[in-house]
Amino acid sequence: DARVTQTPRDKVTEMGQEVTMRCQPILGHNTVFWYRQTMMQGLELLAYFRNRAPLDDSGMPKDRFSAEMPDATLATLKIQPSEPRDSAVYFCASGFPLGQGMVEAFFGQGTRLTVV
Amino acid sequence: TQLLEQSPQFLSIQEGENLTVYCNSSSVFSSLQWYRQEPGEGPVLLVTVVTGGEVKKLKRLTFQFGDARKDSSLHITAAQPGDTGLYLCAGAKAAGNKLTFGGGTRVLVKP
Repeated sequence: DARVTQTPRDKVTEMGQEVTMRCQPILGHNTVFWYRQTMMQGLELLAYFRNRAPLDDSGMPKDRFSAEMPDATLATLKIQPSEPRDSAVYFCASGFPLGQGMVEAFFGQGTRLTVV
Repeated sequence: TQLLEQSPQFLSIQEGENLTVYCNSSSVFSSLQWYRQEPGEGPVLLVTVVTGGEVKKLKRLTFQFGDARKDSSLHITAAQPGDTGLYLCAGAKAAGNKLTFGGGTRVLVKP
């Protein structure tokens, strides 16, 4: 049963600490998305990759956030230093382009981040 | 400001009633998708529509894409408690596969 795997599921950290979230996309998927979900803002696109290359990271605060794909089986999202306003659920999704801009995105279960 | 506006934000109905959720934009999308999200889980894709005016049915769910490809609706007939969840629309443009989500409609179906 193919699925997107995110670790950790939950993370509580102190303000100023570095946080690294990991995602294993579904094998064969060449498009990977990072989203942040909060009650106020909903699902916000932070960054996305195709074939490991970043296509758009305009939704990501550049001074503290970074997203990478070291290889096809791993995507990472780092926050350094973390701030309380970063508290949210972070989702990774993977998919494969189906034409006309369409991607069927498969989501992981998310990482719930709390920065105190 | 959301590129995709969903309405209503929250809907509470009794089991057996019908409901409609709307997704509107001033932009044209090449495709539009609907997802459902349950607590503690990621969104799960329900349907993708790509042609203006297209109507798709999935059991008790009916999805429609507007003629101008700027809006969509999701209609649930005879809602059941299992339909409870957060319904999200997401649009993509022809280039780039960038998937942008609306703010969501939280649906509660009471037994």
